[in-house]
Amino acid sequence: SYELTQPPSVSVSPGQTARITCSGDALPKKSAYWYQQKSGQAPVLVIYEDGKRPSGIPERFSGSSSGTLATLIISGAQVEDEADYYCYSTDSSGHNWVFGGGTKVTVL
Amino acid sequence: QLQLQESGPGLVKPSETLSLTCTVSGGSISSSNYYWGWIRQPPGKGLEWIGSIFYSGTTYYNPSLKSRVTISVDTSKNQFSLKLSSVTAADTAVFYCARQHKNGDCPFDYWGRGTLVTVSS
Repeated sequence: SYELTQPPSVSVSPGQTARITCSGDALPKKSAYWYQQKSGQAPVLVIYEDGKRPSGIPERFSGSSSGTLATLIISGAQVEDEADYYCYSTDSSGHNWVFGGGTKVTVL
Repeated sequence: QLQLQESGPGLVKPSETLSLTCTVSGGSISSSNYYWGWIRQPPGKGLEWIGSIFYSGTTYYNPSLKSRVTISVDTSKNQFSLKLSSVTAADTAVFYCARQHKNGDCPFDYWGRGTLVTVSS
């Protein structure tokens, strides 16, 4: 079955840059999406189609993708950015959607 | 503003069938631009896509759950439903319903608040 692989955790100091990676064999041809989930809440889409930002999402969130690796970048991380982050995409069929295992981001 | 609300029993016995319904308000489930999906999250663990449905009834299921999952739609009630059979304690999770764009690689954009279903005797 198709998998997206993320690091379990990332730590960053306030104001510094956090980078979260997501590896998947289909990413050269499929887009990556990123969700932020705070404790007890539903996920929120923060990046779509590799690097586009939905309205209302702060500019410090950006994304990129190259080959089999997608990356979420939080530039100037804030304490309120502490959350779990999940990448999301699909396999080559286009109809088997998958979430990565999630990365816990700690800002301290 | 689109809203989704999950409903159903919070406790299900092992080997029985889990049934949940998602009611959509503020928009039509019959739109040709969207799928409607179910996602689950076991306590303290990550998100898992369960399956999705188009208003016409076309379904897509997670291969790992396909043998136990049925998703259906009722356009007259603006609802879609999930049935998961032969449940075990491993199926204990928060279940979310969500809207899924048909554009691009089909991200989920609007989510319900989620409902916890516990499998226990």
